[in-house]
Amino acid sequence: QKEVEQNSGPLSVPEGAIASLNCTYSDRGSQSFFWYRQYSGKSPELIMSIYSNGDKEDGRFTAQLNKASQYVSLLIRDSQPSDSATYLCAVREGGKLIFGQGTELSVKP
Amino acid sequence: SQTIHQWPATLVQPVGSPLSLECTVEGTSNPNLYWYRQAAGRGLQLLFYSVGIGQISSEVPQNLSASRPQDRQFILSSKKLLLSDSGFYLCAWSLVNSPLHFGNGTRLTVT
Repeated sequence: QKEVEQNSGPLSVPEGAIASLNCTYSDRGSQSFFWYRQYSGKSPELIMSIYSNGDKEDGRFTAQLNKASQYVSLLIRDSQPSDSATYLCAVREGGKLIFGQGTELSVKP
Repeated sequence: SQTIHQWPATLVQPVGSPLSLECTVEGTSNPNLYWYRQAAGRGLQLLFYSVGIGQISSEVPQNLSASRPQDRQFILSSKKLLLSDSGFYLCAWSLVNSPLHFGNGTRLTVT
């Protein structure tokens, strides 16, 4: 099974700052990439999907993909305390989604 | 719209007892279905996935099994639970090449 790796947390940023979350993957054939947010004790919820190289923006969130470097990232602008959660990177390999270990983000007021 | 139902929300079972967790999806046909497990403070481990009725792929050899008796029903079972089976079990669905959508999960504690 191929791997998906994320920055070890926790990552702490002040309110209003940009949070940067990173993920690398090992399967060069992967074509679909996803970021999920998981609050403590809850199930993951989809934030962003990205399929092409470059940036994709949705509100305060920007996903960045670089297939040559096998790297995908998530930027959260104007971070809010409500963004405090664990962020999971996921990569599709055939019919299944492989998840990273997650990065815990803490946004301090 | 599509919805996914997973139950029960919490479960406490003794070691050696059987397990049955059920998941159903509404509002879509022929979804891909998945069972993941998340140990405390850890990432999601894929246990089983299914692309159709009776088609189950097992990702991790263990004492768990899965079945898909109907198009939108996915069941996770065990004949005898181990302490190491404790965790947060998540059912999810997707369409081909689309994101996964998760149920609310079952928190299983084996005592």
